Amino acid sequence: QVQLVESGGGLVKPGGSLRLSCAASGFSFSDHYMSWVRQAPGKGLEWVSYISSDSSHTNYADSVKGRFSISRDNAEKSVYLQMSSLRAEDSAVYYCVRTRGSYLHLDSWGQGTLVTVSS
Amino acid sequence: EIQMTQSPSVLSASVGDRVTITCRASQKISNYLNWYQQKPGKAPKLLIYGASSFQSGVPSRFSGSGSGTDFTLTINSLQLEDFATYFCQQSYSVPLTFGGGTKLEIK
Repeated sequence: QVQLVESGGGLVKPGGSLRLSCAASGFSFSDHYMSWVRQAPGKGLEWVSYISSDSSHTNYADSVKGRFSISRDNAEKSVYLQMSSLRAEDSAVYYCVRTRGSYLHLDSWGQGTLVTVSS
Repeated sequence: EIQMTQSPSVLSASVGDRVTITCRASQKISNYLNWYQQKPGKAPKLLIYGASSFQSGVPSRFSGSGSGTDFTLTINSLQLEDFATYFCQQSYSVPLTFGGGTKLEIK
């Protein structure tokens, strides 16, 4: 079955950097867009970024544009989120999500990895 | 950016009830509307995509409707496991945006 396992979260100081990874299995990874979605503690969901199946197309939320970078390695069946210039408001659980079809629906989610930005 | 507004934010209901959650987009989004369920401490789960298409494995008591700016998620005959938070999400344009959520509570 579809499995998405995030890693790389942790505590980082404001202005610092962190790289999240997501290892995929159970499906044809190279056929699918992938997204990152985050959720601050007790808050709603915020889409962060997506990347097309062949990495030719990426998109970002305005709140992270210029600071975050999404990438993928289809041979390794992994997607990454490089985060820099981190702020307190970036603190959240970050979910790796398979993204499907013309409706860009988020059909399979990882368990999430917690990022805390604090001095 | 398209704003998504859900109502109500909190809904109290009993097992066996029929409930409806509304989602309104700030501009027309055709049927590019998806619904998710989230339970405490868990990742969201896709219920409905394209406004009315069922995700595989979702019970038939869930249904979605709407087009343009106004959408609804209906749950018939509420079960204990349905008490959770529900989010709508538009995928008509980037940035993808979510509604603020509707917490479905046991009355």
